[in-house]
Amino acid sequence: GIQVEQSPPDLILQEGANSTLRCNFSDSVNNLQWFHQNPWGQLINLFYIPSGTKQNGRLSATTVATERYSLLYISSSQTTDSGVYFCAVERLGGSEKLVFGKGTKLTVNP
Amino acid sequence: ETGVTQSPTHLIKTRGQQVTLRCSSQSGHNTVSWYQQALGQGPQFIFQYYREEENGRGNFPPRFSGLQFPNYSSELNVNALELDDSALYLCASSLDYGYEQYFGAGTRRSVL
Repeated sequence: GIQVEQSPPDLILQEGANSTLRCNFSDSVNNLQWFHQNPWGQLINLFYIPSGTKQNGRLSATTVATERYSLLYISSSQTTDSGVYFCAVERLGGSEKLVFGKGTKLTVNP
Repeated sequence: ETGVTQSPTHLIKTRGQQVTLRCSSQSGHNTVSWYQQALGQGPQFIFQYYREEENGRGNFPPRFSGLQFPNYSSELNVNALELDDSALYLCASSLDYGYEQYFGAGTRRSVL
């Protein structure tokens, strides 16, 4: 099946810092999503981005489908950004729907 | 709010019992998927239903089964519970397969 690798596994920042999270995947995809999981377990949709670039406030994402990677940028981080960020992909015609990476645990300190 | 609701929010069962988890999808969403998330791991795909038919299955044994109903609700049934089944169970709905998936808050299940 398709492999999804996220880096770094852990990231500790001071409030106000910027960060870049990376997601590499091993096959062509027709769906790529970024999620933020809050401490209560809720997966919050950040981006649906199988290709291209999108921005939403302090967050932006870029997927380069031909090179099989996606980047999530967080600018001017806030303590409320803390949590686990997941990248998930779906391979066209694949039997597994949304294969998740292991996540990046982000801690933003005041 | 994703419009996807799951019940119950918490569940405690003993080994060998059977359990049914329920999910109500967003209206108009034809696809529902179920995932299992163990502590410290990413969610793992269990299966997906599209218009009441199974449309893909992950690496889970047959004692994990599901149903999708015409009213945008669905069920995940697990028979003969094992200790390793203790996890957060997530339901997600999407307009169609391959489209953006929206997740419910999950059911946290403990097996003693």
